[in-house]
Amino acid sequence: DSGVTQTPKHLITATGQRVTLRCSPRSGDLSVYWYQQSLDQGLQFLIHYYNGEERAKGNILERFSAQQFPDLHSELNLSSLELGDSALYFCASSVSSSQVNTEAFFGQGTRLTVV
Amino acid sequence: GNSVTQMEGPVTLSEEAFLTINCTYTATGYPSLFWYVQYPGEGLQLLLKATKADDKGSNKGFEATYRKETTSFHLEKGSVQVSDSAVYFCALPAASARQLTFGSGTQLTVLP
Repeated sequence: DSGVTQTPKHLITATGQRVTLRCSPRSGDLSVYWYQQSLDQGLQFLIHYYNGEERAKGNILERFSAQQFPDLHSELNLSSLELGDSALYFCASSVSSSQVNTEAFFGQGTRLTVV
Repeated sequence: GNSVTQMEGPVTLSEEAFLTINCTYTATGYPSLFWYVQYPGEGLQLLLKATKADDKGSNKGFEATYRKETTSFHLEKGSVQVSDSAVYFCALPAASARQLTFGSGTQLTVLP
């Protein structure tokens, strides 16, 4: 158990809909990272928050947004969903503001299926 | 930017066989290098890391040596077990140093 909790584990929704994925980081970790894992794109970095502030953006679509709340949990919002958004979405947390030398702890992921 | 190229899979081995998964990198400077492992149905977890050239990271019988001459960080294990069946990812920090950049992953299946 990594200590990172993601809910829900599975989500099935229709095209055009909006969903919210939730992540609770390990106790004491201030950084939250979101990654998308798909068969054709591999593991892609989406966005990073540190102590409530956005620190870095990767290949995140404009239809996607995220935030980190004062209690440090984070939510990833995906809207106007398309079939191609079907993927495994991972949240990771770490104690520092970068992953240069600090281990990142991953949740079990949310499997999103868009039908 | 920084990137890794990882050996394509899948790789299927018999128990007690020798494992090598190749990883080469392109980077500015000499960043830390990582191997993460993803067991079925789970998230990624750190397997080992090396923070500077010529360092050897090791864990659970796995080893990888940071070689700047060949820009490589190959993962090796002398005798694999069925329980090692998983997807292995090579990774390094992005140029921004904020987040990790992962290789494409190598699926390993070990048969009894």
